[in-house]
Amino acid sequence: DAGITQSPRHKVTETGTPVTLRCHQTENHRYMYWYRQDPGHGLRLIHYSYGVKDTDKGEVSDGYSVSRSKTEDFLLTLESATSSQTSVYFCAINDHSGNTIYFGEGSWLTVV
Amino acid sequence: QQQVKQSPQSLIVQKGGISIINCAYENTAFDYFPWYQQFPGKGPALLIAIRPDVSEKKEGRFTISFNKSAKQFSLHIMDSQPGDSATYFCAASPGGSNYKLTFGKGTLLTVNP
Repeated sequence: DAGITQSPRHKVTETGTPVTLRCHQTENHRYMYWYRQDPGHGLRLIHYSYGVKDTDKGEVSDGYSVSRSKTEDFLLTLESATSSQTSVYFCAINDHSGNTIYFGEGSWLTVV
Repeated sequence: QQQVKQSPQSLIVQKGGISIINCAYENTAFDYFPWYQQFPGKGPALLIAIRPDVSEKKEGRFTISFNKSAKQFSLHIMDSQPGDSATYFCAASPGGSNYKLTFGKGTLLTVNP
């Protein structure tokens, strides 16, 4: 258990509505990440954070924003959800040694 | 541009056999190469990782072989067991730190009893 909690774990939402996914860690790690997983695409980095209020884009950041106001929380927001954002979203953290990324259990998001 | 290419997409092996999954990368700045194992409904979990200063790393039944000149690395699972049935992802990161991993598309391994 890497001390990562994602919420909600499952959500169905309508196109055009805003959605926020939360990642909470208990280990005080500096780096946190949001990935999405889709069949045939593997895991793709959406955004990551290297400290409070310090974030940067990944390879599939369009349509997503993030915020990190506290070390332990990293929020992913879909401002206006689209069907193409139906996916499994994984939060991840980097341990202090920098050698291991741990993933959360995932959040299943369906946009109808 | 796909920076890490993984093959095969799926693999079926008999119990006791050897499972081999291959990955190739393009970015010569990559300096850390982990493999992740994922069971249905779960997040990926680190299985084994290698840095390019060695050509092979073994942990139990799992071995990574690394060929720096060919920019390829592979995962070998010896004596494959039904419990090894999962999706496996290779990944790569630059500069010795893994703060930004690039993943392959995954291989679904099925080990038949």
